[in-house]
Amino acid sequence: DAKTTQPTSMDCAEGRAANLPCNHSTISGNEYVYWYRQIHSQGPQYIIHGLKNNETNEMASLIITEDRKSSTLILPHATLRDTAVYYCIVRVRGTDKLIFGTGTRLQVFP
Amino acid sequence: DAGITQSPRHKVTETGTPVTLRCHQTENHRYMYWYRQDPGHGLRLIHYSYGVKDTDKGEVSDGYSVSRSKTEDFLLTLESATSSQTSVYFCAISESTREEAFFGQGTRLTVV
Repeated sequence: DAKTTQPTSMDCAEGRAANLPCNHSTISGNEYVYWYRQIHSQGPQYIIHGLKNNETNEMASLIITEDRKSSTLILPHATLRDTAVYYCIVRVRGTDKLIFGTGTRLQVFP
Repeated sequence: DAGITQSPRHKVTETGTPVTLRCHQTENHRYMYWYRQDPGHGLRLIHYSYGVKDTDKGEVSDGYSVSRSKTEDFLLTLESATSSQTSVYFCAISESTREEAFFGQGTRLTVV
């Protein structure tokens, strides 16, 4: 099963781009990469997902390397409300499970 | 927001008593999940369902059982609650294994 590795914490200045890395070196060809975030004690919120191409939506951009072994979530203009724990997840091959890791705690400061 | 409701939102119960948490959805999604979250941990999958009466274990299923008798409801039961099951429980739903999951607001359970 593909697992992910993320830094424990990161800081970002308000208004700057936040780039959150994720390593998923054992990902298989048909597994998607998902990003969620959890603000305080709320339920996790979906951000974006992708298979091999870069993706962009109103919240963020997802850059996946050509070999698919890593990806980066980009928040183009971080705000204080983006302070949260960000989870990078790979859908477990052959099963329907959605397994979370421990995530990256992003602190956006003024 | 996805139509997903967890009940109760807060519960305090005594050790040894049975407890059932309910997750209700109005989206007709096939997949439903139960997670727990403890301080210092991310979300850990307890059980999930891939259809009516179709369920499977997650990472931390010991001490928990689930049932899904209809598409919209996924019940999580603690047969005999223990203090180690004090946690925040989240339910999630998704249409397919390739679609995003939507989460409920959580149930805070305290076992005393």
